[in-house]
Amino acid sequence: EAGVTQFPSHSVIEKGQTVTLRCDPISGHDNLYWYRRVMGKEIKFLLHFVKESKQDESGMPNNRFLAERTGGTYSTLKVQPAELEDSGVYFCASSQEGLGRNYNEQFFGPGTRLTVL
Amino acid sequence: GQNIDQPTEMTATEGAIVQINCTYQTSGFNGLFWYQQHAGEAPTFLSYNVLDGLEEKGRFSSFLSRSKGYSYLLLKELQMKDSASYLCAVRAPGGSNYQLIWGAGTKLIIKP
Repeated sequence: EAGVTQFPSHSVIEKGQTVTLRCDPISGHDNLYWYRRVMGKEIKFLLHFVKESKQDESGMPNNRFLAERTGGTYSTLKVQPAELEDSGVYFCASSQEGLGRNYNEQFFGPGTRLTVL
Repeated sequence: GQNIDQPTEMTATEGAIVQINCTYQTSGFNGLFWYQQHAGEAPTFLSYNVLDGLEEKGRFSSFLSRSKGYSYLLLKELQMKDSASYLCAVRAPGGSNYQLIWGAGTKLIIKP
């Protein structure tokens, strides 16, 4: 079974440009999460989709960030315009509750390393 | 505020035992996770604790004390491949639901 995939693995852009990150969750997983890790700091929650609906977007830094999950399959995270402080690793994770466990294990993708110059 | 503390770096010897501690202060609690992350790779799930006590899974065990806001991850019979970052995360109320609040991770270095 394929895991969570993310594209691109690396992106280097200049301040003011636009970048779109993509996440393909594990097939059948309704829950999709975006996280960000700034170098040297902890992973921070950005938002949570349940199917195509935004369940929780309280972690989104500002309105330069836009996440979508049309059709409830893959998701995109667009940063427009990018700023220097947006640099970091963006992780995507997916999960499916109700698999006989009493917890919600999230499966992570390898991340997209974004560098804004 | 929400805060998760864990040591930045630890060193241990192959074949030995190491304990990585995690303390947390959160507005609520709905479980604690440990993840392993090798450099440049995805974090992978190791363990979950929601009740007090020890959960054992092969060479890895995880302990939780909710009254103390404390957990540890115990790794036995260390192997070189265990060199990685170990992330502690607490599921706590946030936004409109529960969120994972993460520690900064403990980089574990295994020496021969």
